[in-house]
Amino acid sequence: EAQVTQNPRYLITVTGKKLTVTCSQNMNHEYMSWYRQDPGLGLRQIYYSMNVEVTDKGDVPEGYKVSRKEKRNFPLILESPSPNQTSLYFCASSTGTVYSPLHFGNGTRLTVT
Amino acid sequence: AQSVTQLGSHVSVSEGALVLLRCNYSSSVPPYLFWYVQYPNQGLQLLLKYTSAATLVKGINGFEAEFKKSETSFHLTKPSAHMSDAAEYFCAVRPLNSGYSTLTFGKGTMLLVSP
Repeated sequence: EAQVTQNPRYLITVTGKKLTVTCSQNMNHEYMSWYRQDPGLGLRQIYYSMNVEVTDKGDVPEGYKVSRKEKRNFPLILESPSPNQTSLYFCASSTGTVYSPLHFGNGTRLTVT
Repeated sequence: AQSVTQLGSHVSVSEGALVLLRCNYSSSVPPYLFWYVQYPNQGLQLLLKYTSAATLVKGINGFEAEFKKSETSFHLTKPSAHMSDAAEYFCAVRPLNSGYSTLTFGKGTMLLVSP
């Protein structure tokens, strides 16, 4: 089954403790992206990657890192999480052509205390 | 910068009633337009997309959207709401001649369906 898999689904952590949210897709997609979803703000793009070893900042990249060493994986790294990064995070992938839709994972709900 | 406005953060309808969710974009040149749906505890999934081939676009689950250039709108409709339609709906736009990454989402409209 074609899918985008994120782990973990839920994560509670403390301020400053480094964490990684993994994302993997099995559709051989070129394009991958991370979003955060907050009430009243919709989805905002954090980082995206057009291909292996090519990443770029989205609208809200501060406090986040990403890497794209393999085509299928696109982990999101929070080196020193803060409470304002408490949010629902989504990974998405696509072929990258203009009409192609994004395929989303089921989300990771992160709470930073 | 491209922007998209969804009027109404919440829309309530009765089962069997018409569903109308509004989306307006800010661009003098029609962009690529998409509607996504998010069911509880799930990621977003594509409902339909505007590709300039036809102004009335049919999507999954009986939804359709009409592109109106004069009104810069791409409203989503369904003739008869079902309880299973309760979800959050997002309109998204990508300007013509822009990079794939420049997809802007609206803030979403929560559709509530009552029996």
